[in-house]
Amino acid sequence: DAKTTQPPSMDCAEGRAANLPCNHSTISGNEYVYWYRQIHSQGPQYIIHGLKNNETNEMASLIITEDRKSSTLILPHATLRDTAVYYCIVRAPNFGNEKLTFGTGTRLTIIP
Amino acid sequence: KAGVTQTPRYLIKTRGQQVTLSCSPISGHRSVSWYQQTPGQGLQFLFEYFSETQRNKGNFPGRFSGRQFSNSRSEMNVSTLELGDSALYLCASSLAFGQGGNEQFFGPGTRLTVL
Repeated sequence: DAKTTQPPSMDCAEGRAANLPCNHSTISGNEYVYWYRQIHSQGPQYIIHGLKNNETNEMASLIITEDRKSSTLILPHATLRDTAVYYCIVRAPNFGNEKLTFGTGTRLTIIP
Repeated sequence: KAGVTQTPRYLIKTRGQQVTLSCSPISGHRSVSWYQQTPGQGLQFLFEYFSETQRNKGNFPGRFSGRQFSNSRSEMNVSTLELGDSALYLCASSLAFGQGGNEQFFGPGTRLTVL
């Protein structure tokens, strides 16, 4: 699985959009970009994933650049409950391999 | 639909003892993965089970083992506990069909403290 690079920490004002970047310059053609988050001492929570098109769900939007070397997770109207560590993970959907390789993630703090 | 459940939620053991943790996946999910999370090493993959077979294993000593039952429930066992085994143990389940990307759903974890 390709390596990802994320900033260690970010702050965002409550009510504003939080934009979390992720660099994955060595991504392969069949690898998906996944985002998970972990609120303190809880299990990670799946947010969204995508291959090359932009994706949106009820939680967030995922913007993947055309060359797929980077992506941005957007939380449109951040709330205090969005304070968490956000992990960007790149992996291929290989049947027989569900392993997720977590990096150090981005610690997002929402400021009241 | 009920989420992934893990029991017990908290556990205190002493060095040298052994421990068994349990995970019930989301109904219909056939893959169960286990992770260890510590402040120093972060989230690390332990192993994955599918249809009662271990098909992926992380870089952990043989003291860490697991199994999966026919109903997809899984247990992991740690023998001869060491202080460094103190961690949050997380279980995740997925459909594991391999196409189109699968999301994994995590349980709340079992917090193990070794004294």
